[in-house]
Amino acid sequence: DVKVTQSSRYLVKRTGEKVFLECVQDMDHENMFWYRQDPGLGLRLIYFSYDVKMKEKGDIPEGYSVSREKKERFSLILESASTNQTSMYLCASSSTRESTDTQYFGPGTRLTVL
Amino acid sequence: AQRVTQPEKLLSVFKGAPVELKCNYSYSGSPELFWYVQYSRQRLQLLLRHISRESIKGFTADLNKGETSFHLKKPFAQEEDSAMYYCALKVASGSARQLTFGSGTQLTVLP
Repeated sequence: DVKVTQSSRYLVKRTGEKVFLECVQDMDHENMFWYRQDPGLGLRLIYFSYDVKMKEKGDIPEGYSVSREKKERFSLILESASTNQTSMYLCASSSTRESTDTQYFGPGTRLTVL
Repeated sequence: AQRVTQPEKLLSVFKGAPVELKCNYSYSGSPELFWYVQYSRQRLQLLLRHISRESIKGFTADLNKGETSFHLKKPFAQEEDSAMYYCALKVASGSARQLTFGSGTQLTVLP
């Protein structure tokens, strides 16, 4: 069974702080994704990675960066948190070996920026 | 650019009534569509995908290329179907395949 874990369920930070959100998957998946989930806007892709040290921008990368030093771990970084980055952040992974491209999601991190 | 539209933010039906959650898409390529579901306090998970032509938990969805739609249907709604539903379109982008999600429909099945 695929397991995607996120380092925190809830996080409260102050404006201007550097924030790290961590995601780990245990199924040797090549692809990993970071989304933010906002009411009325659905899921919007921030960044994704298809291999170690590889990354591509999604639809809303501004204000974010990512790091993928190991296959199982994908980190989302907010260089200088702002109040408009208050949101639920979802991590997902998928395997290119699976023709279905099913994405498996973590439980989410609810970030509040004060 | 690709787009997925779910016109209803909220949908309420009574238990035993039919339910249809609408999804329309725009995409220049060959579409592959999915429905994902998030039950209360659970993580987002795949419900069904159009290429499988399967029925999951009584739900079905047919891809209509002429109308560019992929509506989710169930003939008799149950209270446990109450959840947030997202329609998603698979897009090939660069070196990976990614999903574009709609804004979601919150379904409430009333007793």
